Amino acid sequence: GNSVTQMEGPVTLSEEAFLTINCTYTATGYPSLFWYVQYPGEGLQLLLKATKADDKGSNKGFEATYRKETTSFHLEKGSVQVSDSAVYFCALRPGNKLTFGGGTRVLVKP
Amino acid sequence: EAGVAQSPRYKIIEKRQSVAFWCNPISGHATLYWYQQILGQGPKLLIQFQNNGVVDDSQLPKDRFSAERLKGVDSTLKIQPAKLEDSAVYLCASSFVLRPGLLKGGDTQYFGPGTRLTVL
Repeated sequence: GNSVTQMEGPVTLSEEAFLTINCTYTATGYPSLFWYVQYPGEGLQLLLKATKADDKGSNKGFEATYRKETTSFHLEKGSVQVSDSAVYFCALRPGNKLTFGGGTRVLVKP
Repeated sequence: EAGVAQSPRYKIIEKRQSVAFWCNPISGHATLYWYQQILGQGPKLLIQFQNNGVVDDSQLPKDRFSAERLKGVDSTLKIQPAKLEDSAVYLCASSFVLRPGLLKGGDTQYFGPGTRLTVL
């Protein structure tokens, strides 16, 4: 079946630090891959996506590259801000259905 | 553009009681989804609608959960009777279309703020 594995949190960082959240997946076929973010008290928002191998999704300084050979889609940001504190979810969609990972809580301290 | 609306935001009930959640998707969005998010886990799809028809309800516990989207716009999710393990956040999402196609990004799902259910 389809599944997503994310690194467990919480991840605590200082402002301007480098952030990496690991995400690996198992899927049949060639799924699209997503990162969603959930800020405190808000709904899930799409952060970025990639639809085929070697595609790089990017938004708000975050990047992730679809690596088919390692079945990974790691999220990175070079310099985090306090406002990046949130829960981040990696997800895949091989067809019509989104399958989410368990989420990684990120806390950025000033 | 207004986002996905859900109500209520919070609900506390006792086990064996009934509860209903309401969702109004973004105007013009044909596809609507209900997810269950248990604390510390990612959202799990319960059911998805295309207009007023069910596309996938394979993960909906049909002995106690039901959902409808009678006019192809807003939707109601019901639990009857509730169990302790139903405590979760229930998320509604909508997208313009079901599958990626000519409309770039048309299948992007937009989520509402969720309804937090506590079953005592």
